[in-house]
Amino acid sequence: QKEVEQDPGPLSVPEGAIVSLNCTYSNSAFQYFMWYRQYSRKGPELLMYTYSSGNKEDGRFTAQVDKSSKYISLFIRDSQPSDSATYLCAPKTSYDKVIFGPGTSLSVIP
Amino acid sequence: DGGITQSPKYLFRKEGQNVTLSCEQNLNHDAMYWYRQDPGQGLRLIYYSQIVNDFQKGDIAEGYSVSREKKESFPLTVTSAQKNPTAFYLCASSIVRGDQPQHFGDGTRLSIL
Repeated sequence: QKEVEQDPGPLSVPEGAIVSLNCTYSNSAFQYFMWYRQYSRKGPELLMYTYSSGNKEDGRFTAQVDKSSKYISLFIRDSQPSDSATYLCAPKTSYDKVIFGPGTSLSVIP
Repeated sequence: DGGITQSPKYLFRKEGQNVTLSCEQNLNHDAMYWYRQDPGQGLRLIYYSQIVNDFQKGDIAEGYSVSREKKESFPLTVTSAQKNPTAFYLCASSIVRGDQPQHFGDGTRLSIL
């Protein structure tokens, strides 16, 4: 079993839709959970950062962590064409390297 | 604007050749990282450096080498010992080691001639 798994997609939605991107992990020691957004032929950019279980909201983005089920979600409200990118989930332990998932490709159609 | 600059954007390697990828940052970050990205896989850590003149192997260091002579610079050499070097290489930095990578460059795509 891979340490971090994501559905690769591609996920295609109409503009304005609510998007749900999901990630599962196997290491119960993970405490910090990041989402990165990566546009085509660019480096990733840190989008959201959460600690432990719960929700964190930032504008149209909400990150949700359920440590009991080892499940991480990123919700995008009112999705825009500019949200079209690959989204990487990336958990880490308290003082260790980040483990990146393979990413989910999202396409928002105008 | 502060950021990470990687060069070149595209690089071609001949058999038996060593090539060096450049990474420069002006963020005054202590920690720097090199990742390799292959289709369908997560980013994999090649090397990281917490401070000048110090670096550590990551998960896939074989066939690669690095140096950290200046805080701003962390070049990666892909040696001829790396038999499958075709990939997208990403350099990243964070304020201190132990933090998640906070800034990434726009990568170098390496291909074999």
